[in-house]
Amino acid sequence: AQSVTQLGSHVSVSEGALVLLRCNYSSSVPPYLFWYVQYPNQGLQLLLKYTSAATLVKGINGFEAEFKKSETSFHLTKPSAHMSDAAEYFCAVSDWGGGADGLTFGKGTHLIIQP
Amino acid sequence: KAGVTQTPRYLIKTRGQQVTLSCSPISGHRSVSWYQQTPGQGLQFLFEYFSETQRNKGNFPGRFSGRQFSNSRSEMNVSTLELGDSALYLCASNSEGVGEQYFGPGTRLTVT
Repeated sequence: AQSVTQLGSHVSVSEGALVLLRCNYSSSVPPYLFWYVQYPNQGLQLLLKYTSAATLVKGINGFEAEFKKSETSFHLTKPSAHMSDAAEYFCAVSDWGGGADGLTFGKGTHLIIQP
Repeated sequence: KAGVTQTPRYLIKTRGQQVTLSCSPISGHRSVSWYQQTPGQGLQFLFEYFSETQRNKGNFPGRFSGRQFSNSRSEMNVSTLELGDSALYLCASNSEGVGEQYFGPGTRLTVT
């Protein structure tokens, strides 16, 4: 069974500082990995995805994530935080194409940006 | 390209009633997934439909059901509502191949 662990339910950073949101996964097959963002009262928006191509994945809004198989991690980073980045972030894993359970999400990390 | 549409956006129901939620996927997408989001349990997979057939199902009781029509629009139904069914129900339109999912804004269901 797949699972995702997001370390830190809340992360607070200053505007302009580095954003680092942690995600570790477990999967019995090579995974597809995703990061989604959710703003209040909205659905989820795809930030980026890893599908076994390049291990460093660039997404929208200046975010990127690096797939590290040895660490089973897929941490999300952004060099300089902006106030508009304040939102809930979800890491998700899927073995789409071979599995039957849809996306498995982490519990989410609430990103707070301090002015 | 139009996004994923979910109706209604908000619903208030009473325990014991039933409810039907609707989702229109992105044009050309044949697969739709449904998720339940609650503060306690987070995002949980309900089921997935592809070309009018339920292909995958999560660990939810039989009170939760769904269907998909020939135009790929999907509905989910919850019968005999319980207070614990209060949640944000999200529909995702699935891009074939890499499992990329595009989410709608959700339907906020409140059961009183």
